[in-house]
Amino acid sequence: AQTIHQWPVAEIKAVGSPLSLGCTIKGKSSPNLYWYWQATGGTLQQLFYSITVGQVESVVQLNLSASRPKDDQFILSTEKLLLSHSGFYLCAWSLGRDTEVFFGKGTRLTVV
Amino acid sequence: QQQVRQSPQSLTVWEGETAILNCSYENSAFDYFPWYQQFPGEGPALLIAIRSVSDKKEDGGFTIFFNKREKNLSLHIKDSQPGDSATYFCAASLYSGTYQRFGTGTKLQVVP
Repeated sequence: AQTIHQWPVAEIKAVGSPLSLGCTIKGKSSPNLYWYWQATGGTLQQLFYSITVGQVESVVQLNLSASRPKDDQFILSTEKLLLSHSGFYLCAWSLGRDTEVFFGKGTRLTVV
Repeated sequence: QQQVRQSPQSLTVWEGETAILNCSYENSAFDYFPWYQQFPGEGPALLIAIRSVSDKKEDGGFTIFFNKREKNLSLHIKDSQPGDSATYFCAASLYSGTYQRFGTGTKLQVVP
């Protein structure tokens, strides 16, 4: 069975500090991978997508970066957090066009 | 031009009634429209999806009605139950399958 694991579950970080969030997908080879951000009570905003190892495309600029060091791993990071980075970060995967997108359980980030 | 809008923002129905959630989009290049259900603190999960070549899709108690000319669609939830209380997002995807735009969301409450 396919599983998607995100870490950490929650983080409280100071403004200006670095951040690294991760997700791992098991059970599928070469999935499309995505990062989404959701403000509390808001909609989901797609941040990045990757269709293969080493290649990541940015959808919006939020002073964040993403990398895909392995086929089953997707990392979201920044060197300096802003208050506006607070929210719910969701990793997701799919097998391509018109296929179901599966979301992880998310990471709740609070920047103080 | 990438906006996906939903109405109403919140909806309350009685148990057993049909809930109707609306969605409209601007970009005629969108061709795949999934609906997601999200419970608080969790990632969204796919409910049902439709491609732009169809005008109706049914799956269990969920039905999507799609109007390509008017660029709108609706989700009908038949025989609503309290367990259906959640936030529902309409999304729109481009041909490539790598980009998905989420709507503003409708918070549904089903009252016993």
